[in-house]
Amino acid sequence: KNEVEQSPQNLTAQEGEFITINCSYSVGISALHWLQQHPGGGIVSLFMLSSGKKKHGRLIATINIQEKHSSLHITASHPRDSAVYICAVGGWGGSNYKLTFGKGTLLTVNP
Amino acid sequence: DTAVSQTPKYLVTQMGNDKSIKCEQNLGHDTMYWYKQDSKKFLKIMFSYNNKELIINETVPNRFSPKSPDKAHLNLHINSLELGDSAVYFCASSQERWDPSSYNEQFFGPGTRLTVL
Repeated sequence: KNEVEQSPQNLTAQEGEFITINCSYSVGISALHWLQQHPGGGIVSLFMLSSGKKKHGRLIATINIQEKHSSLHITASHPRDSAVYICAVGGWGGSNYKLTFGKGTLLTVNP
Repeated sequence: DTAVSQTPKYLVTQMGNDKSIKCEQNLGHDTMYWYKQDSKKFLKIMFSYNNKELIINETVPNRFSPKSPDKAHLNLHINSLELGDSAVYFCASSQERWDPSSYNEQFFGPGTRLTVL
């Protein structure tokens, strides 16, 4: 079993819909990262959070440390949001910070 | 200005060849990483270097040898390429500070798609 589980694996939505992607993890962490990978392949960091909630534009990330669960929400989804969204947990092993990744959620937003 | 750059973007080669992928970051970060993304888009860490010193070496075949000539560069050399090495390889960098309560944003390069025939 992967240390980081994402659901769903694939998600298709209509433009304007509210999207939720879930991430559960089984290890102790310093922070949880949400990353976005566009069809062109590049990976960008969306959020890093260790508690509570963060918002950036139409994107909201929440984390519940006790339940070891995080969600990424997209409000008023748009076709340009179509991408793979990757959850990763970060922790210190010795003197190094290491990311362990989920398998990603492929989001397709249709016009 | 590109923060983390990788060359080449695409690499097609025959089994048994030796190839290198180069990575450079201009962010002044101390730590650089190599990740492998397989055909199912699953990312996994391979190596981590901090100030030219190897810190993380996951269970990677010793045909893979990272080299860091300075803290802005981390190259990946692969000997005797195999079909299973076909993947996208991402370089990343971050500014790590040893503090159990801190966490570090990583900046990724554009990736190198390696195809072994």
